[in-house]
Amino acid sequence: GAVVSQHPSWVICKSGTSVKIECRSLDFQATTMFWYRQFPKQSLMLMATSNEGSKATYEQGVEKDKFLINHASLTLSTLTVTSAHPEDSSFYICSAHRQGRETQYFGPGTRLLVL
Amino acid sequence: QQQVKQSPQSLIVQKGGISIINCAYENTAFDYFPWYQQFPGKGPALLIAIRPDVSEKKEGRFTISFNKSAKQFSLHIMDSQPGDSATYFCAATLEGFQKLVFGTGTRLLVSP
Repeated sequence: GAVVSQHPSWVICKSGTSVKIECRSLDFQATTMFWYRQFPKQSLMLMATSNEGSKATYEQGVEKDKFLINHASLTLSTLTVTSAHPEDSSFYICSAHRQGRETQYFGPGTRLLVL
Repeated sequence: QQQVKQSPQSLIVQKGGISIINCAYENTAFDYFPWYQQFPGKGPALLIAIRPDVSEKKEGRFTISFNKSAKQFSLHIMDSQPGDSATYFCAATLEGFQKLVFGTGTRLLVSP
């Protein structure tokens, strides 16, 4: 149990377009979902935390107008990268926290390449 | 103060040997110290976690040693196998996994 999926697993887009990434908790309800970004050979950096039905909390330095997060239900969160540019190319990973569990469950990640 | 420092950056161990990765922290408000394993192109997966009131936790070949006074903790992988070759991240949490702060990662290569 406790599976988190992401879709798509990889995406290539042109500079200036918007890209939406979905994160779903498949077999549990997630009280909180998180979005991370990971550059090659680097650590995971938290971008934002979201709770169902409320606005996301963004980490310092993360542009909330560029990285739109919608947490529509207890099993779905989406990250939209608006007007993507080559520097937004990265590995985006979501995770979900299940109340009472001592971990975050991570998705498989989405690789974004902006040309 | 919310940083977690991790060393070494990379590690090569022979099959059957012991892999040791070290981490240090400053913030005494951290309430769990997990270790994650990540394979290339995949999301990280929890290996083992420890609370700060416990000095050691063992699960199979993986052991966390925790030194609260020194604000340090380490992961020991006994009988290391080629399948253990991955990147390992230590982390520290606030508010019971509501916020995860990751270390910089250690790339482990276990040679056959």
